[in-house]
Amino acid sequence: DVKVTQSSRYLVKRTGEKVFLECVQDMDHENMFWYRQDPGLGLRLIYFSYDVKMKEKGDIPEGYSVSREKKERFSLILESASTNQTSMYLCASSLLGPGRSLYQETQYFGPGTRLLVL
Amino acid sequence: AQSVTQPDIHITVSEGASLELRCNYSYGATPYLFWYVQSPGQGLQLLLKYFSGDTLVQGIKGFEAEFKRSQSSFNLRKPSVHWSDAAEYFCAVGDNYDMRFGAGTRLTVKP
Repeated sequence: DVKVTQSSRYLVKRTGEKVFLECVQDMDHENMFWYRQDPGLGLRLIYFSYDVKMKEKGDIPEGYSVSREKKERFSLILESASTNQTSMYLCASSLLGPGRSLYQETQYFGPGTRLLVL
Repeated sequence: AQSVTQPDIHITVSEGASLELRCNYSYGATPYLFWYVQSPGQGLQLLLKYFSGDTLVQGIKGFEAEFKRSQSSFNLRKPSVHWSDAAEYFCAVGDNYDMRFGAGTRLTVKP
């Protein structure tokens, strides 16, 4: 079974703090994703990575950065946390099958980190 | 612009009753279609997906979905709901360039 783990289930931070959210997958997947989930908005893609040290912006990258130094680990960084970044953050990973599109692949999700910024 | 709509924010059904969750999309070509389920406190899990072929797709946990091109819909169905199906359900639609998730439908199951 694919396992995607996230470093914290709940996190409380103060405005202006630098926040690190960690995600690790154990199935040697090429692709990794960070989403935020807000009521009524569903999941919105922040960043994704299709290889080590490679990253692409998603729909809402402002205020976030990412790091992928190792294949199994994908970190989301909030450079200076703000109250509007209070949300549920979900990490996901997927394979890259031969001849297939990135978005054809099943994504495997972690349990999420609920972040509260005060 | 590409979009995914789940018209029902919240649905309540009785245990044993049938279920249909709606999903409509606006995408150019035949998109990739997915249904995911999120149980309380958990991440999303894939129920089923459709890329091409037979428009009726069977998934896990007794769910099925039907792709209707003329209606731009991919509705999720289950003939008899169990209490453990209470969760939030997300439709996702993608193509070769991006993917979008619907806002989700929360399912409550009455005893």
